[in-house]
Amino acid sequence: GEDVEQSLFLSVREGDSSVINCTYTDSSSTYLYWYKQEPGAGLQLLTYIFSNMDMKQDQRLTVLLNKKDKHLSLRIADTQTGDSAIYFCAESPGGGATNKLIFGTGTLLAVQP
Amino acid sequence: GAGVSQSPSNKVTEKGKDVELRCDPISGHTALYWYRQSLGQGLEFLIYFQGNSAPDKSGLPSDRFSAERTGGSVSTLTIQRTQQEDSAVYLCASSLGTTREQYFGPGTRLTVT
Repeated sequence: GEDVEQSLFLSVREGDSSVINCTYTDSSSTYLYWYKQEPGAGLQLLTYIFSNMDMKQDQRLTVLLNKKDKHLSLRIADTQTGDSAIYFCAESPGGGATNKLIFGTGTLLAVQP
Repeated sequence: GAGVSQSPSNKVTEKGKDVELRCDPISGHTALYWYRQSLGQGLEFLIYFQGNSAPDKSGLPSDRFSAERTGGSVSTLTIQRTQQEDSAVYLCASSLGTTREQYFGPGTRLTVT
């Protein structure tokens, strides 16, 4: 089945690292994504990782994938107040003909100055 | 270049009325998706269009929902006989058919009174 879970809330201090975790259940997912949603705004694609990779780094963002445990994480280095938002992980089950995304519940990241 | 645009940004309608929501994808993107974001259900896939292929309608919650895509570009999502549980933000996304990166519009907030 398709189910993506995330913790609901994370609070960090400015300058610290943030780690947002996600678990998924569909082992056929070939791509896994992180999206950011700021208040009143649409979804912004942050990064994605192919399932045959275990790490991807893009500036302050590091994605780790543990395919055995179906666990995905997003690390934000030197977190800034502008990083405050809801972060969604999403999987794209590889068995289907479409690229529909199955989203997690979202993690609200609050960055304290 | 221009991103995905949606109109209207807000729509308030009375229960039982029909509504039409519009999406203009990024120029050249052959794939188009509709999602719905609500407090109770989170982010849900609704429907997917790819080129001239038959759409994937597997996410539409009832037969009151329909969508079309004219000329491979603009899409309209129609909800007939709206119900209060249809209240949500309706998000449209597009992607190049050969990539996995979906770009989202700002959404249409639908309120059914």
